[in-house]
Amino acid sequence: GENVEQHPSTLSVQEGDSAVIKCTYSDSASNYFPWYKQELGKRPQLIIDIRSNVGEKKDQRIAVTLNKTAKHFSLHITETQPEDSAVYFCAASLGGSQGNLIFGKGTKLSVKP
Amino acid sequence: ETGVTQTPRHLVMGMTNKKSLKCEQHLGHNAMYWYKQSAKKPLELMFVYSLEERVENNSVPSRFSPECPNSSHLFLHLHTLQPEDSALYLCASSQDRGDYEQYFGPGTRLTVT
Repeated sequence: GENVEQHPSTLSVQEGDSAVIKCTYSDSASNYFPWYKQELGKRPQLIIDIRSNVGEKKDQRIAVTLNKTAKHFSLHITETQPEDSAVYFCAASLGGSQGNLIFGKGTKLSVKP
Repeated sequence: ETGVTQTPRHLVMGMTNKKSLKCEQHLGHNAMYWYKQSAKKPLELMFVYSLEERVENNSVPSRFSPECPNSSHLFLHLHTLQPEDSALYLCASSQDRGDYEQYFGPGTRLTVT
């Protein structure tokens, strides 16, 4: 089955700096890669996703890149703000009607003002 | 947020008790999920239902018993739990299985004494 590895487990940056979180997956058939953000005491929420037919996707300060050959994808947050502090989870799925999301272990991001 | 609701929000139970967790989604989704969130395995998929039919059971002990009476409601029946079952239990729903955004509930914080 699919296995998703996520690094780093914790990340601390200064406000205004960039943050990068990386994930690798094992199943080359996976084709859907979402990122979820979970603020302290709150539920996980989707912030961005990418499908295998796209190499990069941006949404304001957030971007995700996908390298299918190397089987890894990354989340990039630019101009970080204190409200970006949260746990971020990557996930991979086979997509279609049979896929389940397999989540990484999460990255705790702390943005220091 | 009222899309996916869970009750109770907190539950303390003894190892010999029987209790049930309830999840309700008001989004018209066809797929519903139970996840276990703990420090060791941050988002561990337990069960998947699609159109009220269980389609996935990730080797979950029989002391956890799911029930999906209709597409809007999902239950998790608990009996003779162990202290290591203490965790946050999250319910989620999505339009269908596969590459659709999953909407999470607020979770039930379970403590087994």
